[in-house]
Amino acid sequence: GQNIDQPTEMTATEGAIVQINCTYQTSGFNGLFWYQQHAGEAPTFLSYNVLDGLEEKGRFSSFLSRSKGYSYLLLKELQMKDSASYLCAVLDSNYQLIWGAGTKLIIKP
Amino acid sequence: GAVVSQHPSWVICKSGTSVKIECRSLDFQATTMFWYRQFPKQSLMLMATSNEGSKATYEQGVEKDKFLINHASLTLSTLTVTSAHPEDSSFYICSARGDRFDNQPQHFGDGTRLSIL
Repeated sequence: GQNIDQPTEMTATEGAIVQINCTYQTSGFNGLFWYQQHAGEAPTFLSYNVLDGLEEKGRFSSFLSRSKGYSYLLLKELQMKDSASYLCAVLDSNYQLIWGAGTKLIIKP
Repeated sequence: GAVVSQHPSWVICKSGTSVKIECRSLDFQATTMFWYRQFPKQSLMLMATSNEGSKATYEQGVEKDKFLINHASLTLSTLTVTSAHPEDSSFYICSARGDRFDNQPQHFGDGTRLSIL
């Protein structure tokens, strides 16, 4: 079956760095997405990786290793507004998006 | 950037009422639209995928007669919750993508919070 694993919850301190991991097992691979979802709101797109390596976008970076079925989202200089759930999703061979359950990130002052 | 508009944002109605939710892509043609449901503190659950001009594909366990989906144009899809009951209360979110086999991200509407009394 298809499976995406990410931690349920993480806590970090304002100004620090946090890495949210995601491992996946899917039928085929056409890319991996990270989305941010604040409580009570719809998800918003953060990043897309289809090739191995690191993609940097401001304070957020996303890494992919296809051979290991592994990705991480790195958040630097954490701000209180970064408190949200972070969703990992993989596009499988049928271009269907398979969603992880999300990681709730709690930022403490 | 790509914008998806979802309407209404909130619906409160009596049990037995049918509720229609609209999802519009404002600045691109959405070949494929997706309908999700999310219960509090739970992950997104895909209900159905709709392609313009064809019948929607429903996920296992989702009643197609209960949740009617119409994707009549490249910019509009509607979800109708027929004869809604309290257990249908949830956060419904649509998303849209430009091409069926495109690896572009799905862009989400703001969601509709449905409360059935």
